[in-house]
Amino acid sequence: GAGVSQSPSNKVTEKGKDVELRCDPISGHTALYWYRQSLGQGLEFLIYFQGNSAPDKSGLPSDRFSAERTGGSVSTLTIQRTQQEDSAVYLCASSLGRAGGTPYEQYFGPGTRLTVT
Amino acid sequence: GEDVEQSLFLSVREGDSSVINCTYTDSSSTYLYWYKQEPGAGLQLLTYIFSNMDMKQDQRLTVLLNKKDKHLSLRIADTQTGDSAIYFCAEKVPGNMLTFGGGTRLMVKP
Repeated sequence: GAGVSQSPSNKVTEKGKDVELRCDPISGHTALYWYRQSLGQGLEFLIYFQGNSAPDKSGLPSDRFSAERTGGSVSTLTIQRTQQEDSAVYLCASSLGRAGGTPYEQYFGPGTRLTVT
Repeated sequence: GEDVEQSLFLSVREGDSSVINCTYTDSSSTYLYWYKQEPGAGLQLLTYIFSNMDMKQDQRLTVLLNKKDKHLSLRIADTQTGDSAIYFCAEKVPGNMLTFGGGTRLMVKP
């Protein structure tokens, strides 16, 4: 079946512009996660959606970052007034969440490589 | 806060065993995972271990967990060139998100 898809695969933007990154999770997965992978660093958790619950935004690095999940499916990560330090690969993952799928295996998309010039 | 640490680089010869180590700090972790990332690709879950286990074997992969020392290792037997990738360990923390280590780049020489 289809896995997690993300678009665009690559995005180059000028400093100060806003960008939107999209994630299509696996159908039926109630949990959706955004992570950031900066060059030479590990993955950094950004935000987590579980069903209709309020999202866990504890990993967002600043108020320029926001995300929404419409209809419990597709999610958009928005970065406003981009800075050069926002350059990274943004990874989305989905899982069955609490409804099942021990041990909450997260399936990752291929990522969006964001370059801020 | 939680912190997961791994060595940056490991080089082995084809056919040898590889051992990738990881330390974590959150004693409330319930599951620990190993992910593989090949160049230009997303993360692929290799294997996981529940925190009340100390060993899990899955074909060429053996995971060892020392919960007292908060030490996790991944052993790859008969390492092949196709095993060359970055390997991430991760722990599941309360809230279901994962905390990842920085990744270990495994290079397999023919």
